[in-house]
Amino acid sequence: GENVEQHPSTLSVQEGDSAVIKCTYSDSASNYFPWYKQELGKRPQLIIDIRSNVGEKKDQRIAVTLNKTAKHFSLHITETQPEDSAVYFCAASRSNNNDMRFGAGTRLTVKP
Amino acid sequence: DTGVSQNPRHKITKRGQNVTFRCDPISEHNRLYWYRQTLGQGPEFLTYFQNEAQLEKSRLLSDRFSAERPKGSFSTLEIQRTEQGDSAMYLCASSFETGSLNEQFFGPGTRLTVL
Repeated sequence: GENVEQHPSTLSVQEGDSAVIKCTYSDSASNYFPWYKQELGKRPQLIIDIRSNVGEKKDQRIAVTLNKTAKHFSLHITETQPEDSAVYFCAASRSNNNDMRFGAGTRLTVKP
Repeated sequence: DTGVSQNPRHKITKRGQNVTFRCDPISEHNRLYWYRQTLGQGPEFLTYFQNEAQLEKSRLLSDRFSAERPKGSFSTLEIQRTEQGDSAMYLCASSFETGSLNEQFFGPGTRLTVL
């Protein structure tokens, strides 16, 4: 089955700096890669996703890149703000996302 | 609130007791998923339904766990003879399957503590 590894487990940046979180996956058939943000005590919420037919996707300060050959994908947050502080999870699944595997999460702290 | 809802939000029980959680998905969503999340970990897939049919179950789902979605709307997850290792956040998510890849919307979760 799919195995998703996520690094780093914790990340602390200064407000305004960029943050990068990386994930690797094992199942070459995986073709959907969402990123979720989970604030303390709240539910995970999708912030961006990418499908295997594209290599990069951007939404304002957030971007995701995918390298299918190397089986890794990354989340990039630019101009970080204190409200970006949360735990971020990457995930991977095959078509129909019926068995989505999550990474262990990255706790991002943005210092004002 | 038209999002995914879960009840109860918290449950404390003694080891050996049975517990049941409920999930109400977004009304037009035909897919419903159950996950378990422990502290410092990502959600772990347990099972999912398409309408009322339970299509996939994880190996994590022991025979003490059972899930139903009788009318293709709300779902229940029951844990029998609870163990301390069952303590976790149980998350429900729903999505609308249209043949393409769609976002899963999560509920607030039910936090289970087994004493």
